[in-house]
Amino acid sequence: DAMVIQNPRYQVTQFGKPVTLSCSQTLNHNVMYWYQQKSSQAPKLLFHYYDKDFNNEADTPDNFQSRRPNTSFCFLDIRSPGLGDAAMYLCATSWGLAQDTQYFGPGTRLTVL
Amino acid sequence: RKEVEQDPGPFNVPEGATVAFNCTYSNSASQSFFWYRQDCRKEPKLLMSVYSSGNEDGRFTAQLNRASQYISLLIRDSKLSDSATYLCVVSGPNTGGFKTIFGAGTRLFVKA
Repeated sequence: DAMVIQNPRYQVTQFGKPVTLSCSQTLNHNVMYWYQQKSSQAPKLLFHYYDKDFNNEADTPDNFQSRRPNTSFCFLDIRSPGLGDAAMYLCATSWGLAQDTQYFGPGTRLTVL
Repeated sequence: RKEVEQDPGPFNVPEGATVAFNCTYSNSASQSFFWYRQDCRKEPKLLMSVYSSGNEDGRFTAQLNRASQYISLLIRDSKLSDSATYLCVVSGPNTGGFKTIFGAGTRLFVKA
């Protein structure tokens, strides 16, 4: 059974048109993460939530926002997608922060036209 | 210098070969270390955690050298299904809080 679910799996949007990516989890984990991964590059952490506590990475552009309305769901909002935002967006969860394994969803591949 | 560095490869090896990957990290305060496997166009999945004493899981052995700040992954008797990208992951306290950093990965191709 899928434990970290991402929707949609593929998203096409137009330059500048807002888009929202969804992540849900059945693991009841405290932490949810959003990563951006471009081809042949490392996943880059954008931000994470520890419960309701939001932690933004210093180099995450303001164009990227996130919401976590409850334990199970977390959203990534891209307010004005640019061509450089085309990437795979990975959601992950973990129980805690330190030694805990991160479980990844299958990702959403975003194309910007 | 990157915070987590890996040789990108690719490593091309025949079935049955033994192959080793290294990963270096720059933050001496790092606490947790992992190897993840990522198949083409798929999400990363945990392969194994890396402990100070070293650990083994079947054909896979991971080692940590804190003094030299590197971790390694050894794969024995390579299978075709081992072909993937192997990501080194390092977690620990950092300026601004706790941080998990992924390496860019080492690509492995196992040939028949």
